[in-house]
Amino acid sequence: AQKVTQAQTEISVVEKEDVTLDCVYETRDTTYYLFWYKQPPSGELVFLIRRNSFDEQNEISGRYSWNFQKSTSSFNFTITASQVVDSAVYFCALSEKTSYDKVIFGPGTSLSVIP
Amino acid sequence: DVKVTQSSRYLVKRTGEKVFLECVQDMDHENMFWYRQDPGLGLRLIYFSYDVKMKEKGDIPEGYSVSREKKERFSLILESASTNQTSMYLCASRFPDRGRTEAFFGQGTRLTVV
Repeated sequence: AQKVTQAQTEISVVEKEDVTLDCVYETRDTTYYLFWYKQPPSGELVFLIRRNSFDEQNEISGRYSWNFQKSTSSFNFTITASQVVDSAVYFCALSEKTSYDKVIFGPGTSLSVIP
Repeated sequence: DVKVTQSSRYLVKRTGEKVFLECVQDMDHENMFWYRQDPGLGLRLIYFSYDVKMKEKGDIPEGYSVSREKKERFSLILESASTNQTSMYLCASRFPDRGRTEAFFGQGTRLTVV
């Protein structure tokens, strides 16, 4: 069965610290897609990144970076030099090729960046 | 830019009322979704639709129904609202690209049933 686990419920960091949000997934498919979304206090989920199961290259986008490791079924998200605007709930999600209409979300990690 | 618009940000309804949550998207997406968000549980899929008048149950469809009469509009209906349906409801849409594409979300409707 497909499942997404985000073990960290809440994280607080002081501004400019680095922070890593963990995501572990379970799937039986060989083709699948992983996503990260950000939900700021305004409520609307914002797409951050997509990774397919055949591409294990890590990605960096500004202060954001993602580490995808199939061997450990993990897709972790790191924010470097955190800012107050990074305060949000972050969701990791999984979509399988065989059940592509469904996107399974993790429970989310609430990040608070303290000035 | 894709725009997904939910008709209300906040709603307060009484137990037993019939409640309609409306969602409209402007990017001609075939797939539309209704999720419910509760603390510690993430987003749980209630229903999704892959075409006009087509719908599929998600993981928690009990107590809900949906309607999709036009491609751009997807409505979630609470037939008889109950207090355990107090939650944040999120609508999303996406292209049917075998799981590849990201979903675009509305701003959410926070429903309180009293």
